[in-house]
Amino acid sequence: GEDVEQSLFLSVREGDSSVINCTYTDSSSTYLYWYKQEPGAGLQLLTYIFSNMDMKQDQRLTVLLNKKDKHLSLRIADTQTGDSAIYFCAESPGDKLIFGTGTRLQVFP
Amino acid sequence: EAQVTQNPRYLITVTGKKLTVTCSQNMNHEYMSWYRQDPGLGLRQIYYSMNVEVTDKGDVPEGYKVSRKEKRNFPLILESPSPNQTSLYFCASRPADREETQYFGPGTRLLVL
Repeated sequence: GEDVEQSLFLSVREGDSSVINCTYTDSSSTYLYWYKQEPGAGLQLLTYIFSNMDMKQDQRLTVLLNKKDKHLSLRIADTQTGDSAIYFCAESPGDKLIFGTGTRLQVFP
Repeated sequence: EAQVTQNPRYLITVTGKKLTVTCSQNMNHEYMSWYRQDPGLGLRQIYYSMNVEVTDKGDVPEGYKVSRKEKRNFPLILESPSPNQTSLYFCASRPADREETQYFGPGTRLLVL
């Protein structure tokens, strides 16, 4: 079945790196995504990775994809207080997005 | 500015009183969809539409209706709202051939008493 799992909370110190992990089940997804939701706001597409790639880097963001283990991770370098938000991973089998439950990232000074 | 708009942003209603949440996009996207977000469950798809007059059920369609009479609009209709439909609702759109480019609206927070 379709299921995307994430841990619920992550707390990091400002300036450290954050790593948010996600496992998914559907290997037919063409793309895998990371979305960010700030308090009271909608979803913002942070980055995505094509399923035949292992890694994608975009400024402070690094996405790693392990297709064998169906594991996706998002690393945020030099985490700032403005990175505090809920982060959702999503897979895309067919015409819809399947979201994880979201990881709430809290950045403390 | 390219955007997806939803109205209203906040709504409190009572059980059984029909309501409509509107969604509009100005990007000429073919694909539109509705999601609900609940704590601990992430976002779940309610309905989606591949183009005008083409709609299909998502994972949690019960209690909802949609229509797609025009390309830009995709309203979500709750004919007889119930308290378990209290949630945060998001509309999204994307081009038919650009799966990786999905835009989300700002959300509609609904409370059904």
